[in-house]
Amino acid sequence: DQQVKQNSPSLSVQEGRISILNCDYTNSMFDYFLWYKKYPAEGPTFLISISSIKDKNEDGRFTVFLNKSAKHLSLHIVPSQPGDSAVYFCAALPQGGSEKLVFGKGTKLTVNP
Amino acid sequence: NAGVTQTPKFQVLKTGQSMTLQCAQDMNHNSMYWYRQDPGMGLRLIYYSASEGTTDKGEVPNGYNVSRLNKREFSLRLESAAPSQTSVYFCASSGWGDTQYFGPGTRLTVL
Repeated sequence: DQQVKQNSPSLSVQEGRISILNCDYTNSMFDYFLWYKKYPAEGPTFLISISSIKDKNEDGRFTVFLNKSAKHLSLHIVPSQPGDSAVYFCAALPQGGSEKLVFGKGTKLTVNP
Repeated sequence: NAGVTQTPKFQVLKTGQSMTLQCAQDMNHNSMYWYRQDPGMGLRLIYYSASEGTTDKGEVPNGYNVSRLNKREFSLRLESAAPSQTSVYFCASSGWGDTQYFGPGTRLTVL
């Protein structure tokens, strides 16, 4: 059973507008969440993270929101740029010091000029 | 500082052949990982190594073996390749409490 779900395989937005990528999780033992960005023919690169004790973390154009009661997190990109076009993976780490990230299936974002 | 490097970048095997995927990191990280990425499946952990001399199974270990040769290097071996192992393989490393850094990947096709 999938513990981290990204239900939208793809998303298309106009340059300058907001991109919102969503992620749901089922395991209440997750206490740290990360977003990775992946361009074609490259490895994933870390984008932003959030601890379960917070509900928001911001880094420049990127903000991650966490709603623990709904087991839902989202990544907001404002304003979206064509260079943001990539696959975005949501990932989660369980409590207890495990280093085994659990990844969602990814959402392909296309930002149109 | 090259980060995480992987060799080869591409490989085509016939069913039953064996091969080893190589991974090295120069960031002095303790932990290293092997993932596979399949279309529509995200990244799935094959094996990981929390420190030199230790390895542990991930979500999809069947058909693979690993060796943590030293702190820098972590190899993945396919003893008898099968078409189901056609995938893109990523190696990653992390320091304690740090995020994982990924290599560029190896695209493997098994015919």
